[in-house]
Amino acid sequence: SQELEQSPQSLIVQEGKNLTINCTSSKTLYGLYWYKQKYGEGLIFLMMLQKGGEEKSHEKITAKLDEKKQQSSLHITASQPSHAGIYLCGAEKGGSYIPTFGRGTSLIVHP
Amino acid sequence: NAGVTQTPKFQVLKTGQSMTLQCAQDMNHNSMYWYRQDPGMGLRLIYYSASEGTTDKGEVPNGYNVSRLNKREFSLRLESAAPSQTSVYFCASSGGQGAYGYTFGSGTRLTVV
Repeated sequence: SQELEQSPQSLIVQEGKNLTINCTSSKTLYGLYWYKQKYGEGLIFLMMLQKGGEEKSHEKITAKLDEKKQQSSLHITASQPSHAGIYLCGAEKGGSYIPTFGRGTSLIVHP
Repeated sequence: NAGVTQTPKFQVLKTGQSMTLQCAQDMNHNSMYWYRQDPGMGLRLIYYSASEGTTDKGEVPNGYNVSRLNKREFSLRLESAAPSQTSVYFCASSGGQGAYGYTFGSGTRLTVV
C-alpha cells in the first residue's frame, strides 16, 4: 500500500519564522493533498497538487510537488499563531478515490 | 452550511456495549469514508463506500460494520465495543473528482471503558 512519510513529526517555531514540512511517498504520486487540522477539530482541505512541478498557494502557505522525488513540500512564510495545528498530506492509492494519509506534522507557533 | 455532519461529537461506552456513529453529507457526493485517528498512527481507513449500495473494507475493519443507507448517509456500527476502539472517528466524502479534495466531518471522540 502507499505509504506517506511526513517530516518533521513536530515543529515549534517563533512567530514570523518560515518553515517547511515534507511529505514523501513510497510509490508514484498521482496527486497529493494537504490538509490542516486544528487541535480537537476536523480536517480542512488546503490544496491539491496534481502535476510534477505544480505549485499552489493558499494565503501564506505554498505547496509544491516533485514527482521525480515522489515528494511534496509545504512552506509557510512568516508564520503566525493561527497557523498552529496538524498538517497532513494525503494521496490516492494508484489513482483510485481511496486516500491514505501521512501521520501528520504538529506545528506550534509561539507569539 | 454544506458539508459533512457527524453525530454524536462525544461518546463514552462500556466494554461490550454497541453504538452507531452517524454521518450525513449534503454535497451529493458519491463516495464516503470512515477513518479513525489515533496518536502517532495518523488516519486509518476503516470502511468506505464508493457509491450508494456498495461498501468495502479499508485498512482496519475488524470490529466494525457499516451501512450506506442512501446517497447522503453512511453509518459506522460498533457491535461490541472494546477499549482498543477508543479513538477519534472521522467521516469524509468525495465527489470522486479528486481536484476538490475530500470533505471531513468534525469527528466523534469515542472512549470505551
